[in-house]
Amino acid sequence: AQKVTQAQTEISVVEKEDVTLDCVYETRDTTYYLFWYKQPPSGELVFLIRRNSFDEQNEISGRYSWNFQKSTSSFNFTITASQVVDSAVYFCALSGNNRLAFGKGNQVVVIP
Amino acid sequence: DVKVTQSSRYLVKRTGEKVFLECVQDMDHENMFWYRQDPGLGLRLIYFSYDVKMKEKGDIPEGYSVSREKKERFSLILESASTNQTSMYLCASSLWSLQGAWTEAFFGQGTRLTVV
Repeated sequence: AQKVTQAQTEISVVEKEDVTLDCVYETRDTTYYLFWYKQPPSGELVFLIRRNSFDEQNEISGRYSWNFQKSTSSFNFTITASQVVDSAVYFCALSGNNRLAFGKGNQVVVIP
Repeated sequence: DVKVTQSSRYLVKRTGEKVFLECVQDMDHENMFWYRQDPGLGLRLIYFSYDVKMKEKGDIPEGYSVSREKKERFSLILESASTNQTSMYLCASSLWSLQGAWTEAFFGQGTRLTVV
């Protein structure tokens, strides 16, 4: 069975601080994808990044970076120099074997 | 850009009514999904479809059915709405990758359903 665990529920940071969101997954599939989504207060889920199980290269996109470690089944997400617009719920998700499973999300609150 | 459109942003229905939630995608994706989102529970998969007229139960299918008569349209049906079906409903679509897993799903704006 697919499972995604996001341990922290709500994280508050002061603007310009860095914030890291942890994601741990479980799967028996050899081929799978991992994703991060952002859900701002408006409600629509916005796709941020995809990683496949064969690509452990970390990625940086502006203030966002992702660290995929297959050995620890983790796919962590860091926001550097956070801004108020980063306030949202962030979901980690796992695709494989006819399932697209989501974690319960991290509520990030950036305080001005 | 991928566009997934849900027919209503907000709905209020009475207990026992039959409710239809409609979803249309414009990117020719094979796969479509219905999730519900509740506080503290995250997103839970209700049903998905990998082709026209094909459907598979997700993790919480009880009380729901679906219909996919055309590739671009996926409908969620609440046969007899109950108050515990008050929730945010999210539709999504995605492609298959060459390696046989779903690629990223693109979501609609959501339908907030209240059953009174």
